[in-house]
Amino acid sequence: NAGVTQTPKFRVLKTGQSMTLLCAQDMNHEYMYWYRQDPGMGLRLIHYSVGEGTTAKGEVPDGYNVSRLKKQNFLLGLESAAPSQTSVYFCASQIAGEAYNEQFFGPGTRLTVL
Amino acid sequence: GQNIDQPTEMTATEGAIVQINCTYQTSGFNGLFWYQQHAGEAPTFLSYNVLDGLEEKGRFSSFLSRSKGYSYLLLKELQMKDSASYLCAASDSNYQLIWGAGTKLIIKP
Repeated sequence: NAGVTQTPKFRVLKTGQSMTLLCAQDMNHEYMYWYRQDPGMGLRLIHYSVGEGTTAKGEVPDGYNVSRLKKQNFLLGLESAAPSQTSVYFCASQIAGEAYNEQFFGPGTRLTVL
Repeated sequence: GQNIDQPTEMTATEGAIVQINCTYQTSGFNGLFWYQQHAGEAPTFLSYNVLDGLEEKGRFSSFLSRSKGYSYLLLKELQMKDSASYLCAASDSNYQLIWGAGTKLIIKP
């Protein structure tokens, strides 16, 4: 089992460019999440999905879009990148929504927007 | 508002014991998680508490007091590999995790 994988691992964009981050999990988990992690701050939820074909906004959704066309994949899109979106992006999956279920994280994507 | 507070950085000596505190304020509460994150890596699950009291798991223990909005992670017999950030996260009424900024633990020989 690969667990949760993310591509790419690193990316540098110019302001205004767009890109898509891919998250894949092979654990048949229902729930998937996209977070960003910035220095001195906790993980912040961008968008999440409770199942194939569903998505919902998290705490900081502006400037991002997501899609969950297949259960195993969760895509995060940046429509027009801004320097404020420079961050480390983590994808996570969870077997289901019960509170006691841990989240499993991917290795992260380090994005720099110039 | 929702808030998690934990110390920014702590230093301890190899072989010693360290306690990392976390206080939380959330709208609703469905449990408290601790995760470990080594530099440049993903967070990994350590513990989950939803009832008051101490849960022990090898060298690591986690404590919760719901009435005080307080938790701590206790690490015994510290090893150099325990140098990492420790993230506290509370599950709110919507089962969403509210994360603290993390405590960077530095272990000295």
